[in-house]
Amino acid sequence: DGGITQSPKYLFRKEGQNVTLSCEQNLNHDAMYWYRQDPGQGLRLIYYSQIVNDFQKGDIAEGYSVSREKKESFPLTVTSAQKNPTAFYLCASSPPEGGGYTFGSGTRLTVV
Amino acid sequence: QKEVEQNSGPLSVPEGAIASLNCTYSDRGSQSFFWYRQYSGKSPELIMSIYSNGDKEDGRFTAQLNKASQYVSLLIRDSQPSDSATYLCAAPQSGGSNYKLTFGKGTLLTVNP
Repeated sequence: DGGITQSPKYLFRKEGQNVTLSCEQNLNHDAMYWYRQDPGQGLRLIYYSQIVNDFQKGDIAEGYSVSREKKESFPLTVTSAQKNPTAFYLCASSPPEGGGYTFGSGTRLTVV
Repeated sequence: QKEVEQNSGPLSVPEGAIASLNCTYSDRGSQSFFWYRQYSGKSPELIMSIYSNGDKEDGRFTAQLNKASQYVSLLIRDSQPSDSATYLCAAPQSGGSNYKLTFGKGTLLTVNP
């Protein structure tokens, strides 16, 4: 079955540590996205990529980095520069013809 | 920054009633609109998309779009307890493109048995 796989489901980060969230899709979608969700805040766009080897900052990119070396993969690194990383992180993809996003199951990141 | 705003809720309806969820958007160039359902602790799931003025029906769900008023709504008929979730409205940030959706903060719906 086609879909988006995010891993891990839960992740704990120590202060000053970088962590990487995985996102893989087999839908053959060109565009991929990372959103962050906080309680009462809705979804906020971190980074997006419309094509391999190209990506753009979203509304809250500070403290995050991404890469897009393969069409199927769009990993997100939460760096130590992100001061409040505890949140629910959602990866999504979309086809060029439209129709909305397909979301992965999410990664819940907690700072310990 | 293009905005999408939803009635804040929470909204509580009895089982079998019609639930009405509303959304307004700021970008007059937006051509497509989406409703997502998100159960607690889960990721959003696309339930409706609408591109032209008027109504679009899919089972118990009806999406309504009024571009002149920049208003989109979702009606859920014969509401069931399983419809209890947060409903997110979304529209593209950059006019007609499907890219970079902006999401409202969501409306929490509770359907009481």
